[in-house]
Formats: sequence, C-alpha cells, structure tokens
Amino acid sequence: AQKITQTQPGMFVQEKEAVTLDCTYDTSDQSYGLFWYKQPSSGEMIFLIYQGSYDEQNATEGRYSLNFQKARKSANLVISASQLGDSAMYFCAMREAQSGGSYIPTFGRGTSLIVHP
Amino acid sequence: DARVTQTPRHKVTEMGQEVTMRCQPILGHNTVFWYRQTMMQGLELLAYFRNRAPLDDSGMPKDRFSAEMPDATLATLKIQPSEPRDSAVYFCASGLVPGGQETQYFGPGTRLLVL
Repeated sequence: AQKITQTQPGMFVQEKEAVTLDCTYDTSDQSYGLFWYKQPSSGEMIFLIYQGSYDEQNATEGRYSLNFQKARKSANLVISASQLGDSAMYFCAMREAQSGGSYIPTFGRGTSLIVHP
Repeated sequence: DARVTQTPRHKVTEMGQEVTMRCQPILGHNTVFWYRQTMMQGLELLAYFRNRAPLDDSGMPKDRFSAEMPDATLATLKIQPSEPRDSAVYFCASGLVPGGQETQYFGPGTRLLVL
C-alpha cells in the first residue's frame, strides 16, 4: 500500500488564483513529519514547507500553507496568489521514525501544476 | 547559501562502463540520501547514510550499485557495469538528525544516460 497518495496527476490554475494540491498519507506512527517539495522544469527539488505531527498550527511559508487534518491523514498544500513561476511538479513526502533513530522518507508520485496567465 | 553539490551534472556513457557520481552534503549535516528518479518509478530511495554509516540500502541493486561515504564531505554512488535501464536522474540529499524538522535538502542531480 502506498504511504503517500497524490490523487491529482495534473492541475491547472489561473494566475493570481489560489490552488490546493492534495496529499493523503498512511502511518501508524504518532510522531512523523510531512513535507512538500517543488520540482520545476530545471529539475532541482526545492523544499517548500514542513508540518510536524504534533504541531497544532498549520504551517505557513509565505504564499504556501499546509492544510493539516490529522484525523483524516491529509496534508494538502495551498498556494495563494499563484504565479507563472509556480508551474512545476509538487511532491508530498513523509518521514516516519524507524528503529535505531533512523528514518526513511517516502515520496508521493507528484502533481503537475500549470499556472495560466 | 549552503547547498548540496553533485558532480557530474550530466553523464552519457556506454553500456558496461563504470559510472561514479559524487555528492558534497551541506556542511554539518549528518545524513545523506541517494535517490533515483524516473518517469516510470518516480523517486526511489537507493541508500541512506547517517554519520557516514550506511543505514539502509535495500532499494539499491546490490550486484551493480555501491554507495560509500569516504569522509563527511563526500558521498559516492557507483554503478559497475552500467546498463541502459540505469538511465535516470540521481539525486543526493542531506539533512541533520536529530534536528527538529529533519528536512532533506536536495542537490541539483546527475542526469545519467546509458547507451
């Protein structure tokens, strides 16, 4: 079973509008972390935002916010006031604690976002 | 501005040749990850080091792939012999554990094409 599910292969949004990218996760751990990364066409993976499982407030970083619904095991990324430069692949990821203090991160398959002028 | 660096950025080689990819993690980070990204498989974890010790390489084909950290500033991923199916983008990422978020920061990747 997939641990990270991103159900939207592709999304389109008008410039200056807000867009939500979905991510659901599966874990039995109480302590875990959720991440979003952006991969533009140039190929690099850029860290955007982090949410810890014990964080009571939704994480925000500039125009990015994470809509964390723990009971539903969802961690959706909200991009406000979309810009043309937001066009990219977006990956949701989770880290869980492993025995011995290590952790293995898991990535979703990604959502392609295209921002129209 | 601390960044993960990877060399080479691009590599074209012929089947059967040895390929070595290098990664310099961010200074002070104690974890290093190697990933492979393809259209078909997405992002796959190949190997994971913490304090230079390999903790997990279950995702790596053992017969041809090897990963090492000769020192804290260098991680290497070798393929010998290379095959066309190894064509992919290989990413190195580093992080700090424990370190609160334990975020991974990615390098720019090595685009490998095996002919």
